[in-house]
Amino acid sequence: QSVLTQPPSVFGAPGQSVTISCTGSSSNIGAGYDVHWYQQFPGTAPKLLIHGNSNRPSGVPDRFSGSKSGTSASLAITGLQAEDEADYYCQSYDMSLYGAVFGGGTKVTVL
Amino acid sequence: QVQLVESGGDLVKPGGSLRLSCAASGFTFSDFYMSWIRQTPGKGLEWVSYISSSGSTIYYADSVKGRFTISRDNAKNSLYLQMSSLRAEDTAVYYCARGYKFAFAWGQGTLVTVSS
Repeated sequence: QSVLTQPPSVFGAPGQSVTISCTGSSSNIGAGYDVHWYQQFPGTAPKLLIHGNSNRPSGVPDRFSGSKSGTSASLAITGLQAEDEADYYCQSYDMSLYGAVFGGGTKVTVL
Repeated sequence: QVQLVESGGDLVKPGGSLRLSCAASGFTFSDFYMSWIRQTPGKGLEWVSYISSSGSTIYYADSVKGRFTISRDNAKNSLYLQMSSLRAEDTAVYYCARGYKFAFAWGQGTLVTVSS
């Protein structure tokens, strides 16, 4: 089990919006550490999608947005497209483990 | 653009050793912290180790402490991971990544399989 908890799967129709939650604790997200998000397609390396809770690297569509509140964070995808079908991972830092921690990943399926 | 290319993954017996390499290009390698991150189907993603730009600051996950050694050669724009006393649970795809708070860029990964 991962330190950060994500739902295993999320479904949405094209054009709809979906939200992926990432739940932590007082030793990671709740302690004020930033949350970052990655997108991974089968057989390829993860790619940075959001850093510092809500910042998009150059080239990432503004359909992707991140937020953080308390001990949780969320990744929202608006205007869902078939090409968004992938696995998504959250990541933060845990002060009791003295290291970076990941969520278990969420598979987004476009219906 | 940032490019990271890992090599050195292989099939190795438990207790064996292996050295992974990562060739970096497209950025000033000596300016950045670098990391190794691994991924397994069962345990997901795990941040294995990172090293500061000068090599003076190093982190290891508890799961590899004392068995793995990270190093870098800024003159060769290269990152390394020396792995020893390998265990079955070290079987994973190992990624080289730029950064240590988050992974700004990732390599394509190299597969390490530990099995007799």
